[in-house]
Amino acid sequence: DAGVIQSPRHEVTEMGQEVTLRCKPISGHNSLFWYRQTMMRGLELLIYFNNNVPIDDSGMPEDRFSAKMPNASFSTLKIQPSEPRDSAVYFCASSLGLAGGVQETQYFGPGTRLLVL
Amino acid sequence: AQSVAQPEDQVNVAEGNPLTVKCTYSVSGNPYLFWYVQYPNRGLQFLLKYITGDNLVKGSYGFEAEFNKSQTSFHLKKPSALVSDSALYFCAVSAIYNQGGKLIFGQGTELSVKP
Repeated sequence: DAGVIQSPRHEVTEMGQEVTLRCKPISGHNSLFWYRQTMMRGLELLIYFNNNVPIDDSGMPEDRFSAKMPNASFSTLKIQPSEPRDSAVYFCASSLGLAGGVQETQYFGPGTRLLVL
Repeated sequence: AQSVAQPEDQVNVAEGNPLTVKCTYSVSGNPYLFWYVQYPNRGLQFLLKYITGDNLVKGSYGFEAEFNKSQTSFHLKKPSALVSDSALYFCAVSAIYNQGGKLIFGQGTELSVKP
């Protein structure tokens, strides 16, 4: 299996522009997670899906952020409009899902490094 | 609420010496504990996990971790460190049905192994 695939790997954009990050989870995985990593705040869970349904979006910073999972093999994280403080590395991860009420092991993609000027 | 603490921002070890990266946790109920490693400019990689059973868990690259319920700790260990072990290490915890079963990550510990 190719693992979790993220695109683009790097994105440089100007403040106010729309940014769309993409993720393809591992085939057969039922849960998908979006994380953000910065030096100041470490690794933060933004949102996660189970069977394509958003379960917990309490980590989404504000209305400028939105995430969708139209099918089991694709998810997007959109920032509109983008701001310099959104600069971070965004990771997507997937897992087999819940087993006994606890998430199975998560497998991470390589990340998208976003720089908003 | 669940929480994880990694008390050391950085751990420095000489190659060949044993290493320990510390992790303590707080959950309601039985914990499910994980260690991940992140190499520069890469995503997190799964190392090992404790679900139940033997308190000593063996994982990838010669790493192991010991679950200690009374001390609520899950320290990562390796008998002989390699320079290639230098990376950022994350401890994570989940508890059954708490917060949707999601993982809570610690802040990470930077491990530096010198030749």
